[in-house]
Amino acid sequence: AQSVTQLGSHVSVSEGALVLLRCNYSSSVPPYLFWYVQYPNQGLQLLLKYTTGATLVKGINGFEAEFKKSETSFHLTKPSAHMSDAAEYFCAVSDLYGNNRLAFGKGNQVVVIP
Amino acid sequence: DAGVTQSPTHLIKTRGQQVTLRCSPKSGHDTVSWYQQALGQGPQFIFQYYEEEERQRGNFPDRFSGHQFPNYSSELNVNALLLGDSALYLCASSRSTPPIYFGEGSWLTVV
Repeated sequence: AQSVTQLGSHVSVSEGALVLLRCNYSSSVPPYLFWYVQYPNQGLQLLLKYTTGATLVKGINGFEAEFKKSETSFHLTKPSAHMSDAAEYFCAVSDLYGNNRLAFGKGNQVVVIP
Repeated sequence: DAGVTQSPTHLIKTRGQQVTLRCSPKSGHDTVSWYQQALGQGPQFIFQYYEEEERQRGNFPDRFSGHQFPNYSSELNVNALLLGDSALYLCASSRSTPPIYFGEGSWLTVV
């Protein structure tokens, strides 16, 4: 079974500082990996995805993530945090054989300090 | 192009009652999945519908059932509601491969 580990439920970052959210996955087949963002009282918005090809993936709002097979990781970064980045972020895994069934991590609540 | 739409957005039910939630997928998408997100948790996969059949199911009891219509829209039904069923219910739509898009969700409160 696939699974995702996100450590540190709450992450505080100063405005203008680097945002780094860690995601490690477990999958017996080549994975598809996703980051979603959830703003208060809203659904999930797709930030970026990795399926095949280039391992460095760029998404919306200045975020990017790098797939590292050797480390089974897909960490999310943004060079400079903005107040509007305050939200909950979820890493998720699927695969070619899973028919788009997603397994999610527990999420990271990001707080941006002015 | 409308995204994934869900209704109702909020509802309150009493223990033991039944609830139906509805989802219209993004245009061109034929696969609908449902997820339950409890407060402070990540979404958990309930089941997935494709070609009007339940194709996959997560670890949820039979009280949770669903349906997909010929126009690809879907319903989630929950019978004999428990307090623990209080959650945000998310609908996701896709084609055969990613990306997977989510609706805004239906907030269910069981009292």
